[in-house]
Amino acid sequence: GAVVSQHPSRVICKSGTSVKIECRSLDFQATTMFWYRQFPKQSLMLMATSNEGSKATYEQGVEKDKFLINHASLTLSTLTVTSAHPEDSSFYICSARGTGGSETQYFGPGTRLLVL
Amino acid sequence: TQLLEQSPQFLSIQEGENLTVYCNSSSVFSSLQWYRQEPGEGPVLLVTVVTGGEVKKLKRLTFQFGDARKDSSLHITAAQPGDTGLYLCAGPLLGYSTLTFGKGTMLLVSP
Repeated sequence: GAVVSQHPSRVICKSGTSVKIECRSLDFQATTMFWYRQFPKQSLMLMATSNEGSKATYEQGVEKDKFLINHASLTLSTLTVTSAHPEDSSFYICSARGTGGSETQYFGPGTRLLVL
Repeated sequence: TQLLEQSPQFLSIQEGENLTVYCNSSSVFSSLQWYRQEPGEGPVLLVTVVTGGEVKKLKRLTFQFGDARKDSSLHITAAQPGDTGLYLCAGPLLGYSTLTFGKGTMLLVSP
């Protein structure tokens, strides 16, 4: 149980284009989903917290107009990197927390974004 | 300021050796989770410790939560090459819901 998927697993795009990444909880309902970014040989950095049906809460320094987050259902959250630039190249990971009040987060497999 | 200090940052050992990874903070956590992450993949949850002083065992892995819930340790007995990976500790600070991550310990176990 507690499986989280991400799509796509890898994406290469040209500078200036927008990229959408999907995060799905496959076998549980997730009231809250989280989006992280991880640079090589570094730990995970929280970008934003996404609650179903409400606006995402962004961490300090993360541009909400550049990283659009939508959490339209209890099983799906999307992250759109708008007008991507090479410095946005990174490993993006989502996690989901169930509705039962547990603090445990289950992570997706990550999406590798390369902006040329 | 790094809220969760993990040490060591990198560890290279031979198969069969024992090792301990530490996760320390001056702040109290509601719980602490340990994850293992392999290159190009997301973190996989190993264990969650909730109660101060709690000890959990997962085969050759032993996890301990400090009495004051400010620190935790992961001990691996007779390490195997399959244990290679990035070990991350993370937890919500008391009163918060988001996870604070340590910087991770990269473990390399050579045959």
